[in-house]
Amino acid sequence: EADIYQTPRYLVIGTGKKITLECSQTMGHDKMYWYQQDPGMELHLIHYSYGVNSTEKGDLSSESTVSRIRTEHFPLTLESARPSHTSQYLCASRGRGIADTQYFGPGTRLTVL
Amino acid sequence: AQSVTQPDIHITVSEGASLELRCNYSYGATPYLFWYVQSPGQGLQLLLKYFSGDTLVQGIKGFEAEFKRSQSSFNLRKPSVHWSDAAEYFCAVGDLSGGYNKLIFGAGTRLAVHP
Repeated sequence: EADIYQTPRYLVIGTGKKITLECSQTMGHDKMYWYQQDPGMELHLIHYSYGVNSTEKGDLSSESTVSRIRTEHFPLTLESARPSHTSQYLCASRGRGIADTQYFGPGTRLTVL
Repeated sequence: AQSVTQPDIHITVSEGASLELRCNYSYGATPYLFWYVQSPGQGLQLLLKYFSGDTLVQGIKGFEAEFKRSQSSFNLRKPSVHWSDAAEYFCAVGDLSGGYNKLIFGAGTRLAVHP
């Protein structure tokens, strides 16, 4: 059973607000990921990190930013939320081995009004 | 570039019937392949994975998948579907260009189960 947590699970917020989506894992994994998923659609990688102080943009352009100050914590921030940011955000982590599994958190469903 | 195709967007089966979900990948070398399941409003849970060895892989919840190199396929099967299997199923391949650290996902297949 993977120990990866996301808060909040659901968030409804107005346009222009700054928000931070939290993601934490207790497995000591170096690699962490953020995906964006619209309802019933595929996953798109928007950010990833291979360790502390390492962050990279993913395949899908995103206005969000991330930080990795601690191994277990990988928050995602939107400075000014817009309705186009309405989506589900999934966090994942993975160990160092080439055969290691990518484990997913339960997701945060964000609605921007 | 690598890609994953799940040809079936929606599938409906009767409870107790057998199931096969299709997945095709484009990749030159031996791929690392995964099947995940996502229940509504939840994250993804790994069902099974293939890296090497036996091409028939057993997973959780009674699922299995078979790697067929000649067909570039990794189809997911279950002999008898339960109502609780209704969910979205994603096939994924490890991204060689990223040292296998990233996954490339298919668009998913939504499975409905009727009594």
